[in-house]
Amino acid sequence: DSGVTQTPKHLITATGQRVTLRCSPRSGDLSVYWYQQSLDQGLQFLIQYYNGEERAKGNILERFSAQQFPDLHSELNLSSLELGDSALYFCASSNRPSGYEQFFGPGTRLTVL
Amino acid sequence: AQSVTQLGSHVSVSEGALVLLRCNYSSSVPPYLFWYVQYPNQGLQLLLKYTTGATLVKGINGFEAEFKKSETSFHLTKPSAHMSDAAEYFCAVDYFGNEKLTFGTGTRLTIIP
Repeated sequence: DSGVTQTPKHLITATGQRVTLRCSPRSGDLSVYWYQQSLDQGLQFLIQYYNGEERAKGNILERFSAQQFPDLHSELNLSSLELGDSALYFCASSNRPSGYEQFFGPGTRLTVL
Repeated sequence: AQSVTQLGSHVSVSEGALVLLRCNYSSSVPPYLFWYVQYPNQGLQLLLKYTTGATLVKGINGFEAEFKKSETSFHLTKPSAHMSDAAEYFCAVDYFGNEKLTFGTGTRLTIIP
């Protein structure tokens, strides 16, 4: 158990809908990272927040957005969902600057029908 | 663009045999290097990491990896495979400390009894 929690574990929805994925980092970790794992694209970095501020952006679609709240939990919002958004979404957290371990949560499996 | 290459999407070894999983990165500047393992329906767990210092890095579960700058490689090895090692293994790189992990495409390791 990494100490990072993600809810829900599974999510099934329809095209065009909007969903919110939630992540609680390890106690004391200020950085939260979101990754997408799909068969087509593999594991891709989406976005990072550090202590409530956006710090780095990767291949995140404009339909996707994220935020980190004062209690350090983070939410990833996915809107206007398409079939291709079906994937495993991981959250990771870290308490150190770059070059140190990111602890991964168990993931949320999103299925868009 | 920076990339990570894992040679062999599937590797099979006999129980007790040497495990060798290959990873090459694309940078003339030594990055931070990681190996993660993913068991079915689980998140990613860090096996080992290289940041600075000794180029031979020991990790959990008997795995080790050697950073070779001249070959831009960070291959993962284990002297004697165990059935419990069956999983998917990902090499990841933090180029230039920019806090975005770039992952390889993964290698699925199968252990033959």
